[in-house]
Amino acid sequence: AQRVTQPEKLLSVFKGAPVELKCNYSYSGSPELFWYVQYSRQRLQLLLRHISRESIKGFTADLNKGETSFHLKKPFAQEEDSAMYYCALSTTDGGKIFVFGPGTRLSVLP
Amino acid sequence: DTGVSQNPRHKITKRGQNVTFRCDPISEHNRLYWYRQTLGQGPEFLTYFQNEAQLEKSRLLSDRFSAERPKGSFSTLEIQRTEQGDSAMYLCASSRTGEAFFGQGTRLTVV
Repeated sequence: AQRVTQPEKLLSVFKGAPVELKCNYSYSGSPELFWYVQYSRQRLQLLLRHISRESIKGFTADLNKGETSFHLKKPFAQEEDSAMYYCALSTTDGGKIFVFGPGTRLSVLP
Repeated sequence: DTGVSQNPRHKITKRGQNVTFRCDPISEHNRLYWYRQTLGQGPEFLTYFQNEAQLEKSRLLSDRFSAERPKGSFSTLEIQRTEQGDSAMYLCASSRTGEAFFGQGTRLTVV
């Protein structure tokens, strides 16, 4: 069965510090991986997806198939990065369902 | 706003009543999803449509839940005989080929 885990419910860092949000997945097929972000009182929105290999708002994530991980990183956190972050995988067989992790709340302190 | 639209935004209902939520996806998106989210959890998959066909249903979706997508456009999610455990945020998302775009959600409170 498909599963996404995010071990940290809450991560607090100081402004300017590096941040890494961990994500691991299990899926027998070849998944697509995504990071979604939810700012306060806003809808879930895509932050980045592994196939585009873009850097969005200074965030990057590399898919490591050997470790089945897709950790999200940013070298210098900003206060406006404070939000809920959800890692998700999209199944590629049949229905293309999106499976989400439980989320990590990032708090960037001044 | 040309994004995914959900109505109502909030619904308070008494236990045992039926409720229906509506989702209007982005117009060219053929895939539509319903998710449920409770406090401290990520979105949990409920069901998935490709055009008008309901292709996947989660085991979370008891027989009190039914979803439709007539003509492959908007979708409705109905919960019959609501229970307090149904209180949650119900999210709709649509997709064409890649990422899913989410609506603001409908927050259901069963009292």
